[in-house]
Amino acid sequence: GQNIDQPTEMTATEGAIVQINCTYQTSGFNGLFWYQQHAGEAPTFLSYNVLDGLEEKGRFSSFLSRSKGYSYLLLKELQMKDSASYLCAVRDRNSGNTPLVFGKGTRLSVIA
Amino acid sequence: DSGVTQTPKHLITATGQRVTLRCSPRSGDLSVYWYQQSLDQGLQFLIQYYNGEERAKGNILERFSAQQFPDLHSELNLSSLELGDSALYFCASSVSGTSGGPYEQYFGPGTRLTVT
Repeated sequence: GQNIDQPTEMTATEGAIVQINCTYQTSGFNGLFWYQQHAGEAPTFLSYNVLDGLEEKGRFSSFLSRSKGYSYLLLKELQMKDSASYLCAVRDRNSGNTPLVFGKGTRLSVIA
Repeated sequence: DSGVTQTPKHLITATGQRVTLRCSPRSGDLSVYWYQQSLDQGLQFLIQYYNGEERAKGNILERFSAQQFPDLHSELNLSSLELGDSALYFCASSVSGTSGGPYEQYFGPGTRLTVT
């Protein structure tokens, strides 16, 4: 079956760095996505990894290890507005326009 | 603003009733996906349409159905509603292509369905 695990909740301090981990076991793999979702709002796309390694985009970076079924999202210089849920999702089919399998999300609280 | 629109934003209805949720994808996107998000389950994929045809099916109940029209907007029909159907329903769309790429999905603002 499909299984994507992330911590349920995390708390970090404004200005600090936080790493949100994601492990996955899926029947196939064709890319891993991170989305940010503020309470009651739509998920918004943050990052995409399909090859091993680190992808950096401003204050956010995402890492992938396909052999370990592991990814993390790194948030630097945390701001209060970064308080949100972060969703890890895997495309498990070998085609671009296919559904995503989502983890349950990690609720991040940024405190002063 | 993702460019994906959904109506209505909120819907309150009684058990046993039928409702229709509507989604318009971003201009040019051929794929439309429907997801259900409840507190304990996270985002669950329901069904996907591509250029008017059903492309993939997920955990969609038989009481639920969807279609995509020639103008590419999509509707999700939920019937014989139960209390457990209360959730946020999101529509997403993505670009199409044959070359490699993320084809990331862009989500609409969602419809919050409350069944009483």
